[in-house]
Amino acid sequence: KAGVTQTPRYLIKTRGQQVTLSCSPISGHRSVSWYQQTPGQGLQFLFEYFSETQRNKGNFPGRFSGRQFSNSRSEMNVSTLELGDSALYLCASSLLPTGSFEQFFGPGTRLTVL
Amino acid sequence: DQQVKQNSPSLSVQEGRISILNCDYTNSMFDYFLWYKKYPAEGPTFLISISSIKDKNEDGRFTVFLNKSAKHLSLHIVPSQPGDSAVYFCAARATGTASKLTFGTGTRLQVTL
Repeated sequence: KAGVTQTPRYLIKTRGQQVTLSCSPISGHRSVSWYQQTPGQGLQFLFEYFSETQRNKGNFPGRFSGRQFSNSRSEMNVSTLELGDSALYLCASSLLPTGSFEQFFGPGTRLTVL
Repeated sequence: DQQVKQNSPSLSVQEGRISILNCDYTNSMFDYFLWYKKYPAEGPTFLISISSIKDKNEDGRFTVFLNKSAKHLSLHIVPSQPGDSAVYFCAARATGTASKLTFGTGTRLQVTL
């Protein structure tokens, strides 16, 4: 079974630009969550989608948005990029919205904002 | 406000010995706890979890202990192997928050020969 895939793996942007990251969950998984990882901050929850609906949102500004498609694939968008947005963005999928809460992570997209 | 804390940024243990990684939390609404391992350039990999109704869960070389009164959990790895060298994250889920996980900042474990 293929794991969670994220594209692109690496991205370099400049301040003020916008970026879209993509995530394909494990086949059959309907819940997709996004996290931001920065040095010293661990993983910070961005949002979670289930059946194309956002169910949870973390404490990030409105420049961060996301969506989920009918095939459970998800995208996240960051507009008006700032230097502080440089981070590893991780996507995770889970089989059910409840239960063991085990999430399977993709390799991440490394975003660098210059 | 860091609700899940891993106060030791790094830990070095000899091969064959026990590794103990600690995690403290402040939110009494957390009802499920997980440990993840992360290698460089890879996403975190699920290791083991524990529900708040239990105080211990074991899976092979990995055991997680939960002390609810102290709001503390620990991961024991016995015996430690060089391949266990990675960053370990403690994570927690609060009741009613679906799949949202709150992570600690991680502990880098190095297992030496």
